[in-house]
Amino acid sequence: DAGVIQSPRHEVTEMGQEVTLRCKPISGHNSLFWYRQTMMRGLELLIYFNNNVPIDDSGMPEDRFSAKMPNASFSTLKIQPSEPRDSAVYFCASRGRGRGPNTLYGYTFGSGTRLTVV
Amino acid sequence: GQQLNQSPQSMFIQEGEDVSMNCTSSSIFNTWLWYKQDPGEGPVLLIALYKAGELTSNGRLTAQFGITRKDSFLNISASIPSDVGIYFCAGQQPGGSQGNLIFGKGTKLSVKP
Repeated sequence: DAGVIQSPRHEVTEMGQEVTLRCKPISGHNSLFWYRQTMMRGLELLIYFNNNVPIDDSGMPEDRFSAKMPNASFSTLKIQPSEPRDSAVYFCASRGRGRGPNTLYGYTFGSGTRLTVV
Repeated sequence: GQQLNQSPQSMFIQEGEDVSMNCTSSSIFNTWLWYKQDPGEGPVLLIALYKAGELTSNGRLTAQFGITRKDSFLNISASIPSDVGIYFCAGQQPGGSQGNLIFGKGTKLSVKP
């Protein structure tokens, strides 16, 4: 089990540039979540998908943020144009069906993408 | 939105000491989870609690789901240097958006050898 795979691990970009973060969930998991982590606000849910369909995007801060899940094994989070205040660690997490500490309500997180916008 | 109040924010302890941290809310939750985040990594699930009053252990870790359903605590016994990290509580509210966990701000644990 390779876990949730995120790329890149680190991204440094200039203000105004487009940034695309990628996530490969655990095979067989049917829910995928994008979180943003900052010192000030902690972990914030941006959007989540169930069976590839966006269910709740109320956490997406602005229209500059968009997320897609074209299939069960891939999702992207795009920021266009990026701004310095977008600097944060972005986590992707997935969750499978069924009950148990690593399935129902128990997400598996990726290692995150540390984004720095200068 | 709903907040989970996690305390303390940070702890500095000596190796071998026991640790206790907790999470409280003004609303009830039907699931409590505890995660640990190592530097440069994502949070990893430690313990999940599904019933009020439930007490669950995972090695030196013990967590309890409060009877009122508005709180949970995590204890670590005989701390070791690798316990260093940030511990998060997370909860799922009744009727909440399915799978949408609410996270506390974390407790940063430092252990002196």
